[in-house]
Amino acid sequence: ETGVTQTPRHLVMGMTNKKSLKCEQHLGHNAMYWYKQSAKKPLELMFVYSLEERVENNSVPSRFSPECPNSSHLFLHLHTLQPEDSALYLCASSQVGGEEEKLFFGSGTQLSVL
Amino acid sequence: GESVGLHLPTLSVQEGDNSIINCAYSNSASDYFIWYKQESGKGPQFIIDIRSNMDKRQGQRVTVLLNKTVKHLSLQIAATQPGDSAVYFCAGPSGNQFYFGTGTSLTVIP
Repeated sequence: ETGVTQTPRHLVMGMTNKKSLKCEQHLGHNAMYWYKQSAKKPLELMFVYSLEERVENNSVPSRFSPECPNSSHLFLHLHTLQPEDSALYLCASSQVGGEEEKLFFGSGTQLSVL
Repeated sequence: GESVGLHLPTLSVQEGDNSIINCAYSNSASDYFIWYKQESGKGPQFIIDIRSNMDKRQGQRVTVLLNKTVKHLSLQIAATQPGDSAVYFCAGPSGNQFYFGTGTSLTVIP
């Protein structure tokens, strides 16, 4: 089992559905991230939570709504998505302020919007 | 703006040969870089990192070289194996976020 767990692994939803992606980190880190990965494009940062406070919101449409109830859990709530939102959504965690700054990633949720 | 990029989108090597994957960055103040490997159906996995006070760092079968003068880093994989087939990213932090390159897809030919 990896240190960062994401569910579900795959999700197909219609444009009128509401769904949530879940992420849990077992590494004791104090920061969590949502990234979007589309084909042929660099990883795009969506949100950053550090010490459970949102510190970064990269101009993400309001149809994506993050939630971080504690330092180990992160959610991404989805509603009225568009087909262009189909992508791999990756969660990551890190220890901000520590010696090791690197991100640890989950396996991602492959999202298809019909 | 800041950027971290990779030189080649694809690279094919014979099994047993050495692989070299390159990356360029734009921010001369960047002091830390990471290489990630992403296999099909998985998230990126940490391979090796390097700080700007170093020119070279070695791991198991991997070496990262950093040339601050030309703002370039490379990942060298010795004796490439089929299990090394994946997409490789370099990344550099800035503020609260990391900048990632587009990735080089490495294919190992048996």
